[in-house]
Amino acid sequence: NAGVTQTPKFQVLKTGQSMTLQCAQDMNHEYMSWYRQDPGMGLRLIHYSVGAGITDQGEVPNGYNVSRSTTEDFPLRLLSAAPSQTSVYFCASRAQGYSPLHFGNGTRLTVT
Amino acid sequence: GQQLNQSPQSMFIQEGEDVSMNCTSSSIFNTWLWYKQDPGEGPVLLIALYKAGELTSNGRLTAQFGITRKDSFLNISASIPSDVGIYFCAGPSPGNQFYFGTGTSLTVIP
Repeated sequence: NAGVTQTPKFQVLKTGQSMTLQCAQDMNHEYMSWYRQDPGMGLRLIHYSVGAGITDQGEVPNGYNVSRSTTEDFPLRLLSAAPSQTSVYFCASRAQGYSPLHFGNGTRLTVT
Repeated sequence: GQQLNQSPQSMFIQEGEDVSMNCTSSSIFNTWLWYKQDPGEGPVLLIALYKAGELTSNGRLTAQFGITRKDSFLNISASIPSDVGIYFCAGPSPGNQFYFGTGTSLTVIP
């Protein structure tokens, strides 16, 4: 009953460092997405994927890359971290159509 | 992106009181979702609404899909301490991406 699993839970980076946030789901969902959550801003969509091999940009894609080689995994890459990327990142997945999103427990990232 | 206006931004209530919050959109939605987020966790789905005018309950929670399809309401009756958290509304864009409101932070005072 894992659902959506995100790793790591916490990460501190220095400006300019790179890292990958991992996301895996075991519900066979075609759709996966990444959101960032900042105080007073709600959840904003970074990138999403409607299936393996297909990705697209959301509202705030700059500074982030994604790929989707399998149905289960949807990693988010920061190539050169900036302090403005300090945030809590959530991965979410859903079945087709207007099915609700299922969220992971988030990764809290601090960039100094 | 899509504008979802959620109000109030925060609420401080006494245990046992009822709570009402709402969400409005600048465009028509065909689905409304309500989520709750506990500290340090991801949002969890409370109620999903799929039809204008629909009224759906989940225990002490009741949500309604506004008939204009541009708003939705969430009510919590007889609040308890574990109702504390942030409540989000969400709806899909024409491209089927879900947009979220900025959240209502609920504090329940025992």
